[in-house]
Amino acid sequence: DAGVTQSPTHLIKTRGQHVTLRCSPISGHKSVSWYQQVLGQGPQFIFQYYEKEERGRGNFPDRFSARQFPNYSSELNVNALLLGDSALYLCASSFDVGSENIQYFGAGTRLSVL
Amino acid sequence: AQSVTQLDSHVSVSEGTPVLLRCNYSSSYSPSLFWYVQHPNKGLQLLLKYTSAATLVKGINGFEAEFKKSETSFHLTKPSAHMSDAAEYFCVVTRGFSGGYNKLIFGAGTRLAVHP
Repeated sequence: DAGVTQSPTHLIKTRGQHVTLRCSPISGHKSVSWYQQVLGQGPQFIFQYYEKEERGRGNFPDRFSARQFPNYSSELNVNALLLGDSALYLCASSFDVGSENIQYFGAGTRLSVL
Repeated sequence: AQSVTQLDSHVSVSEGTPVLLRCNYSSSYSPSLFWYVQHPNKGLQLLLKYTSAATLVKGINGFEAEFKKSETSFHLTKPSAHMSDAAEYFCVVTRGFSGGYNKLIFGAGTRLAVHP
């Protein structure tokens, strides 16, 4: 069975540009979460979606947005990129949003902002 | 609020010796706790989870962790390190299902180096 897949694997953008990252969850999983991992730190929660609705949002500016599609795949959008947005962006999927549900992670998209 | 502190940023061991990665947590209620491992250029892989059942939790690849409520600790151990264990390890506590969602709260990570 396919795990969580993310695309692209690497991305280079310049300041002020916009970026879209994509995530396909494990088949049967209805929840997708996004995390940002800055070099040398643990991942930080950005969003959680369940059944196409935003269920939770972390402490990130409005430049960050996301959506979940009817097939449960998801996109993360970041506008007006800053140098500080350079990070590994991780997508995780789970069957639902209960606290005992395991979140399975993709390999991530590494974004470099120049 | 929930938080987790990994007490060592780097741990270095020799192959075949025991591994101990330390984690303390803070939670206002019974937490769910996890250990994830991240190999270079790879995603996060779940090693084990604690969800209020047995306090000694066994995971994959010979790892185990013990939940100690009195010490608010969840340390990760392995009796004998292998070269392939070299990676970044994250202790994680869940926010819990409050407000209709659940997020993972990660520690800063411990980088494990294994020497021949």
